[in-house]
Amino acid sequence: AQSVAQPEDQVNVAEGNPLTVKCTYSVSGNPYLFWYVQYPNRGLQFLLKYITGDNLVKGSYGFEAEFNKSQTSFHLKKPSALVSDSALYFCAVRDPISGAGSYQLTFGKGTKLSVIP
Amino acid sequence: AAGVIQSPRHLMKEKRETATLKCYPIPRHDTVYWYQQGPGQDPQFLISFYEKMQSDKGSIPDRFSAQQFSDYHSELNMSSLELGDSALYFCASSLGQSSYNEQFFGPGTRLTVL
Repeated sequence: AQSVAQPEDQVNVAEGNPLTVKCTYSVSGNPYLFWYVQYPNRGLQFLLKYITGDNLVKGSYGFEAEFNKSQTSFHLKKPSALVSDSALYFCAVRDPISGAGSYQLTFGKGTKLSVIP
Repeated sequence: AAGVIQSPRHLMKEKRETATLKCYPIPRHDTVYWYQQGPGQDPQFLISFYEKMQSDKGSIPDRFSAQQFSDYHSELNMSSLELGDSALYFCASSLGQSSYNEQFFGPGTRLTVL
């Protein structure tokens, strides 16, 4: 079964500083990995995904993520945090060869990012 | 750009009542997914449909059923509601059900069971 771990419930970072939100995964095959952001009382917004190819993936709003197969990680990063980046971030995985269940997204518990002015 | 539409946005029901949630996918999207997000929890996959056929099933209670119609909209029917069903219900859609296609989420329906 596929699973995702986000080890930090909350991350605080000063505005202008780089930010990292951590994610590790477990799947039986090669993973398809996604990051979503959720603002209060809003739906989930897609940020970026890793399917194959370059391990560094660039996404929306200046975010990027690095896929590391040996460490089974897919950490979300941004060089310079904005106050408006404050939100709940979810990492998600799909295992494309697991048969039944391969279309659903399995989410981590989420990490609350607070960017301090 | 058009997004996923969910209705109603808020719904309040009594225990043992029924509820119907509706989802209108992004135009041309043929795949719909339903997720349940409890307070402070991550979204949990319930069920998905591709071309009007159920394609995947997650932790959906037997009291719930869903279907996708010919215009690709989907409805989640919930019966014998329990207090624990109070949650935010998301619908997502994608173009095709390929595992590498990102899912686009609607704003959610907040269901409160009293």
